[in-house]
Amino acid sequence: QVQLVESGGGVVQPGRSLRLSCAASGFTFSSYAMHWVRQAPDKGLEWVAVISFDGNNKYYADSVKGRFTISRDTSNNTLYLQMNSLRAEDTAVYYCVRDPGQYSSSYSGYWGQGTLVTVSS
Amino acid sequence: QSALTQPASVSGSPGQSITISCTGTSSDVGAYNYVSWYQLHPGRAPKLMIYLVNKRPSGVSNRFSGSKSGNSASLTISGLQAEDEADYYCCSYAGYTTPWVFGGGTKLTVL
Repeated sequence: QVQLVESGGGVVQPGRSLRLSCAASGFTFSSYAMHWVRQAPDKGLEWVAVISFDGNNKYYADSVKGRFTISRDTSNNTLYLQMNSLRAEDTAVYYCVRDPGQYSSSYSGYWGQGTLVTVSS
Repeated sequence: QSALTQPASVSGSPGQSITISCTGTSSDVGAYNYVSWYQLHPGRAPKLMIYLVNKRPSGVSNRFSGSKSGNSASLTISGLQAEDEADYYCCSYAGYTTPWVFGGGTKLTVL
């Protein structure tokens, strides 16, 4: 069955960097687009970024554009989110999400459990 | 892209029906028949309840149904059960550069 396991969260100071990982299993990783979605404390869900199945197309929410980079490594079935210049408002649970298609589709039935990132001095 | 508008909370008694609204714009909800709904329980992965406006994934109870009219969509839960108590989020496709726009979430309380 599809499994998505995020890791790399923790407490980080404002302005510093952090890299999240998502280990994927149970499906052909190289065949699907992947997303990151986050939920700040007591806030709603926010789409963060998407990468196409082949890694050639990447798009970002305006709130993270220029600071975050999404990438994927098909040799070890892992999705990454490199987060630089972190701000307090980036504090959230970050979910790894598998798209049903090769590019962005309109929904997803496969979400990880999430990893918490706290940006605080 | 602004978030979709949902009521902050709704409530109902067991066995009753409730409806959660989701209002967007002509650039998201109104532009595509690509509305989905997710159920969130604390500490668990979000669960897809409805996709493509009114389709139910395998395993989701037929007590859950979705609809759309113009720039607004709705999720209806009939025959409320205690296990339905959770947060619900609508989501609309809004184009390939910003594929997912979410609502602010609605807390459902089963009285």
